[in-house]
Amino acid sequence: QQPVQSPQAVILREGEDAVINCSSSKALYSVHWYRQKHGEAPVFLMILLKGGEQKGHEKISASFNEKKQQSSLYLTASQLSYSGTYFCGTEEKSNQFYFGTGTSLTVIP
Amino acid sequence: DTAVSQTPKYLVTQMGNDKSIKCEQNLGHDTMYWYKQDSKKFLKIMFSYNNKELIINETVPNRFSPKSPDKAHLNLHINSLELGDSAVYFCASSQGPREAFFGQGTRLTVV
Repeated sequence: QQPVQSPQAVILREGEDAVINCSSSKALYSVHWYRQKHGEAPVFLMILLKGGEQKGHEKISASFNEKKQQSSLYLTASQLSYSGTYFCGTEEKSNQFYFGTGTSLTVIP
Repeated sequence: DTAVSQTPKYLVTQMGNDKSIKCEQNLGHDTMYWYKQDSKKFLKIMFSYNNKELIINETVPNRFSPKSPDKAHLNLHINSLELGDSAVYFCASSQGPREAFFGQGTRLTVV
């Protein structure tokens, strides 16, 4: 079941923060986050394996709420290089894997 | 060294033709995938192979047939191409439930 991401699109000025949400109707084993720049392949950002787990990489972090079957990606002090489409990927307990609907993020000077 | 490579990068062909896309990974991963990304950027898994065995076969037309001669290669053959098959096709590989590495994509245009 394809997870739903919100918002669909967001425009930020450099230095602003953003939150991208990913919500599934199924019980999840793990959540992955990827970023895809225009004309390129998706690139892995991070994976969260346990409910309650939080991970971070520089100014990009994520959390996984297993009970609510959702994950959030946090981008702080955004940079121009953060622009792209962000996808969550959810691995269901049935071993099925689906990418989310995508969130287009544009950072402007 | 390219980790996941797929060829060709661009493919323009007429309706009704048969075409193949090749994918190779040099990461030693056990699992390989084919994804389709449509014009709205939705990424949809088509097939997943683990050690040359088909694990996921989502509801795709049987005109699409994956072939895995060994665990480093996963090719995609498409028969009787249709206009709706136009999309970007990505190959990817992973080691278990870990990060997936994607190839650069093949932009297929059916005219």
